[in-house]
Amino acid sequence: DIVMTQTPLSSPVTLGQPASISCRSSQSLVHSDGNTYLSWLQQRPGQPPRLLIYKISNRFSGVPDRFSGSGAGTDFTLKISRVEAEDVGVYYCMQATQFPQTFGQGTKVEIK
Amino acid sequence: EVQLVESGGGLVQPGGSLRLSCAASGFTFSSYEMNWVRQAPGKGLEWVSYISSSGSTIYYADSVKGRFTISRDNAKNSLYLQMNSLRAEDTAVYYCAREGGHIVGACFDYWGQGTLVTVSS
Repeated sequence: DIVMTQTPLSSPVTLGQPASISCRSSQSLVHSDGNTYLSWLQQRPGQPPRLLIYKISNRFSGVPDRFSGSGAGTDFTLKISRVEAEDVGVYYCMQATQFPQTFGQGTKVEIK
Repeated sequence: EVQLVESGGGLVQPGGSLRLSCAASGFTFSSYEMNWVRQAPGKGLEWVSYISSSGSTIYYADSVKGRFTISRDNAKNSLYLQMNSLRAEDTAVYYCAREGGHIVGACFDYWGQGTLVTVSS
């Protein structure tokens, strides 16, 4: 199985300041079809996960443009340009390039 | 609006069985692959099982293989997870999640609210 490793596991952030989460995979996530199936999910407290970003850098419907994704191969980053109170929660990266789909451990974003 | 609503969770003794259901609406259910994903209390996400749009292709995580059975009824817009020989380590919130379609690709684009399964004596 592909192992997804996120850093940091906790990220205290000041409101209005940026936040960045890294995700590294144990092997390349480039699929044979040329796509890289790396996505980011947000889980607010007491809520189910919600898709934010798919295929590295594409924002899902309704996701604010302060969220952005980047990366390639085995190294990926989720950035929040200016953290708002509603961004508090746990963020997961997930790969679906190779079966079985696997998730990172999660990064908790909280307000300082 | 896409909606996924799970039901069927509850308290069960070790060795017991439960059947989870996921009612889908707001999209053409028969066109989408579906998954079950679980989350133990205070822990991260774990993929459990996958079923293709027609039901002809099915996969399981090693941790549940031989004990859980995924199925679907496209006429009823419903997804199911039959869980047998339950263990304490199966205690989790179980989510049904839709596989992304043609544009979004391989990811889980919509999730239900989840149903809690507690395995305890």
